[in-house]
Amino acid sequence: AIQMTQSPSSLSASVGDRVTITCRASQGLRNNLGWYQQKPGNAPKLLIYAASSLQSGIPSRFSGSGSGTDFTLTISNLQPEDFATYYCLQDSNYRWAFGQGTKVEIK
Amino acid sequence: EVQLLESGGGLVQPGGSLRLSCAASGFTFSTYAMSWVRQAPGKGLEWVSSISGSGDSTYYADSVKGRFTISRDNSKNTLFLQMNSLKVEDTAVYYCARGMEAARVDWGQGTLVTVSS
Repeated sequence: AIQMTQSPSSLSASVGDRVTITCRASQGLRNNLGWYQQKPGNAPKLLIYAASSLQSGIPSRFSGSGSGTDFTLTISNLQPEDFATYYCLQDSNYRWAFGQGTKVEIK
Repeated sequence: EVQLLESGGGLVQPGGSLRLSCAASGFTFSTYAMSWVRQAPGKGLEWVSSISGSGDSTYYADSVKGRFTISRDNSKNTLFLQMNSLKVEDTAVYYCARGMEAARVDWGQGTLVTVSS
């Protein structure tokens, strides 16, 4: 089964900062990679799918890149509402795998 | 509008059983694979199981294989998760999820399962 390694597990940042989160897959994914934001008590919210496609309604400060085994979520100009936990997800051949999560906290 | 509404969660003793349901609406249910994902308190997301649109193919995480059974009733637009031999470590919020292309997923609001004596 494909495994996802996400880093860092947590980070502290200030409003206006640029933040980068990475996920590495144990084998190539083509573009079957998504990024999700989760706030306490809520279901995950889709930000990016197909590695770099921005979901409708998501601000353009969120962007995704990468292919093969290495993927990146970038949040430019961090806003107060962006403080949350972020997960990557791969969904190749029905067996999903999530990254361990990155908690973005206020510095 | 896509809606996924889970039900059936609750408190159960170790070794017990529980059946979760997910009522789907707003899309052609039979054309989509469906999945269950869980999240233990204070922990990350964990994929549990998936089923093809027809129901012919099923997939399970090693942690639940042999204890959980995923199924669907396409005539009633409903997804199920039968959970047997429950363990304390199965305590989690269980989310129903619709998988589309390239890791694009719709989520339900989740239902809490607590396994405790």
